[in-house]
Amino acid sequence: GQNIDQPTEMTATEGAIVQINCTYQTSGFNGLFWYQQHAGEAPTFLSYNVLDGLEEKGRFSSFLSRSKGYSYLLLKELQMKDSASYLCAVRGPLNDYKLSFGAGTTVTVRA
Amino acid sequence: EPEVTQTPSHQVTQMGQEVILRCVPISNHLYFYWYRQILGQKVEFLVSFYNNEISEKSEIFDDQFSVERPDGSNFTLKIRSTKLEDSAMYFCASSEARGSGNTIYFGEGSWLTVV
Repeated sequence: GQNIDQPTEMTATEGAIVQINCTYQTSGFNGLFWYQQHAGEAPTFLSYNVLDGLEEKGRFSSFLSRSKGYSYLLLKELQMKDSASYLCAVRGPLNDYKLSFGAGTTVTVRA
Repeated sequence: EPEVTQTPSHQVTQMGQEVILRCVPISNHLYFYWYRQILGQKVEFLVSFYNNEISEKSEIFDDQFSVERPDGSNFTLKIRSTKLEDSAMYFCASSEARGSGNTIYFGEGSWLTVV
């Protein structure tokens, strides 16, 4: 099975940087995804890592260390619209393509 | 940008009634999924579907649930006899393929309330 942990809540100031950590323990690993979810809406894709290292996409970056079972999502130059829940999701072993989600981290951006 | 569409956006139903949730996946996608999210809880996998058959299902997806692709564009989730605990947001999703890098795209969800 998959066990995915991330902090419940984080608060940051507009313009600042926030790092959301995700640790996972899985029976197999075939990629890690980050999604953004505003309240009552669908998860929207942010980033994907399958190899170790940093993937950068504009204001958002995601890092993966497979040996440590660890990822983080870095949000830079925070804007009020970034207030949302951020979901870490892991894809399972080679023949298991579903995503298993963490409980999500609610980020509140304050002026 | 292509998107997954779902209907209805909201449905209230009485316990014991049958419910059908409908989805139109992204047109060139081959893999379809249903997930659900109970209020305040995490997104949970229900079922995946490929080539007109279920490829994987979770413990939640018991005999009360079924999926179907009745035509070339729609993908449906049926709950045969709803229970109070079925109240949740149900997300349909699709992906182009199953490879590790293939992103799963989610629809806006159908909010089901069982009373």
